[in-house]
Amino acid sequence: GPKVLQIPSHQIIDMGQMVTLNCDPVSNHLYFYWYKQILGQQMEFLVNFYNGKVMEKSKLFKDQFSVERPDGSYFTLKIQPTALEDSAVYFCASSLRQGQAPLFGEGTRLSVL
Amino acid sequence: QQKVQQSPESLTVSEGAMASLNCTFSDGTSDNFRWYRQHSGKGLEVLVSIFSDGEKEEGRFTAHLNRASLHVSLHIREPQPSDSAVYLCAMGSGSWQLIFGSGTQLTVMP
Repeated sequence: GPKVLQIPSHQIIDMGQMVTLNCDPVSNHLYFYWYKQILGQQMEFLVNFYNGKVMEKSKLFKDQFSVERPDGSYFTLKIQPTALEDSAVYFCASSLRQGQAPLFGEGTRLSVL
Repeated sequence: QQKVQQSPESLTVSEGAMASLNCTFSDGTSDNFRWYRQHSGKGLEVLVSIFSDGEKEEGRFTAHLNRASLHVSLHIREPQPSDSAVYLCAMGSGSWQLIFGSGTQLTVMP
């Protein structure tokens, strides 16, 4: 079936550096999401993106975070600069319609040292 | 702030015995509830979505929603060892986001 692909599966960077997490959503999907899961904690919503715009973001979506999907390519989450508390698994998800259960990728584990 | 609580934290059942998982939510304003599962190191797999009180079946998975009691459950019929995973309840909030519970670790013993 259709899949959401996330690249890379694990990324290690030094605090203060910039990182870009890449997501290849299902090809005909229109709604895109990022969720964050700190080890041992609940999955939490970060942001939703539709028609080139952020539709909703949570308080976890700090000013250092940004998302984009230029020209229908990867849906990206950029963190600049990174902080230690950004260490987590970041899940990308996409859906065709609003209110439809999103399909999730396998996550990118980000380790900030 | 809306919250989702899951119970039990972990559950062990024998292969073929019904497994029942529970989820309570903080208010009755949502109109959509999802059950996902997550095998270790993998992404989330959607199992059942339910939008109105009553029952919704998808294969061996049946969700029951009772908004008056702020409760949704998942019953897994004839579970197999391959069903061993973390099961996550999620509540739709607003137009865009899902609020997840902390999960139930299900182990199915052969």
